[in-house]
Amino acid sequence: AQTVTQSQPEMSVQEAETVTLSCTYDTSESDYYLFWYKQPPSRQMILVIRQEAYKQQNATENRFSVNFQKAAKSFSLKISDSQLGDAAMYFCAYRDMDSNYQLIWGAGTKLIIKP
Amino acid sequence: DTAVSQTPKYLVTQMGNDKSIKCEQNLGHDTMYWYKQDSKKFLKIMFSYNNKELIINETVPNRFSPKSPDKAHLNLHINSLELGDSAVYFCASSPYIGQEPTDTQYFGPGTRLTVL
Repeated sequence: AQTVTQSQPEMSVQEAETVTLSCTYDTSESDYYLFWYKQPPSRQMILVIRQEAYKQQNATENRFSVNFQKAAKSFSLKISDSQLGDAAMYFCAYRDMDSNYQLIWGAGTKLIIKP
Repeated sequence: DTAVSQTPKYLVTQMGNDKSIKCEQNLGHDTMYWYKQDSKKFLKIMFSYNNKELIINETVPNRFSPKSPDKAHLNLHINSLELGDSAVYFCASSPYIGQEPTDTQYFGPGTRLTVL
């Protein structure tokens, strides 16, 4: 069965600095999708970035980028120029073509931004 | 414009009561979901409907019953509430595969249910 592991329960970073959140997953599939979601104190789950496994190029969305290492089954999120509004829980998620739209979620990483 | 909305946002009730949570999406998506997030923030899928048909039904007590009157709505009814049902419940929706390269899920704001 597919699993998603986020090994960092909590991370902190100084405002304007860069931080990397780690995510690893286990799958025997070759075609799948990976996502990072953000959950601020407002509780709403917000999509940050997504990556298709067949694309070698790492996805980028403004200050957010990923380091996708397919062979290592690693999908880390880099946040550049951290802002106070980035403080949230960050969840890594996986989906493959056969999972019937079911996302497999990591346990989350709490990101603290120090002013 | 709110894409996925849930009502109520907060629900406090006594053990044994029956309650419902409503969800609506205005994105034109075909698929909707219910998730439960426990106190440790772990997200677990409960149900998924595609075009009003149940496609995912994880192992949840049969006290939980989803109802989809149309593809824009997926309500969650809970009978005989128990203390362990206290959690945040999220509704989400996504387009049917083939309409987008990836089926990104759009989440509602969540409903915090507290059972006393």
